[in-house]
Amino acid sequence: QKEVEQNSGPLSVPEGAIASLNCTYSDRVSQSFFWYRQYSGKSPELIMSIYSNGDKEDGRFTAQLNKASQYVSLLIRDSQPSDSATYLCAVNKNNNDMRFGAGTRLTVKP
Amino acid sequence: EAQVTQNPRYLITVTGKKLTVTCSQNMNHEYMSWYRQDPGLGLRQIYYSMNVEVTDKGDVPEGYKVSRKEKRNFPLILESPSPNQTSLYFCASSLMTPTYEQYFGPGTRLTVT
Repeated sequence: QKEVEQNSGPLSVPEGAIASLNCTYSDRVSQSFFWYRQYSGKSPELIMSIYSNGDKEDGRFTAQLNKASQYVSLLIRDSQPSDSATYLCAVNKNNNDMRFGAGTRLTVKP
Repeated sequence: EAQVTQNPRYLITVTGKKLTVTCSQNMNHEYMSWYRQDPGLGLRQIYYSMNVEVTDKGDVPEGYKVSRKEKRNFPLILESPSPNQTSLYFCASSLMTPTYEQYFGPGTRLTVT
């Protein structure tokens, strides 16, 4: 079992729709959770971080964390073509090393 | 401008020829880390450092060395590169408290023939 698992996609949504990206992790003691966006040929950039159970909203983005289910998600509302990218879920294990999922490729069609 | 820089950006080398990829950050971050990215495998952590002279192995440390003699620099050393180390490498840095929100460098594309 991979430590951080994401649906590889590709995920395709029409412009204006909600994109839902999911991530599960295996290490129950993990404390910090992150979503990064990576455009093709570019480096990852942080979109959201979440540390406690529940929802965290930032503009069109909402991160959701459920530690009991070891599940993290990212919702993108009013998706735009510029949101087309690969989204990486990252988990900071208790001993400070980071684990990334393989990423989900999102395409937003105009 | 706050940034993480890496050099070189592209490197083609031959098996066994020692190389160093430099990484530098100007944000006074304690935490620095190296990753490699391969298709289908995502980002895998090679080594990380929580402060000067403190380094730890990540997920895939075999064949790599690092050092942290200064807070701003965290070079990655391949003493005897092999073709399976052909990859895209990223350096990243972050504060440790309250978060580990990482800033990534632009990446180094390494090809070992």
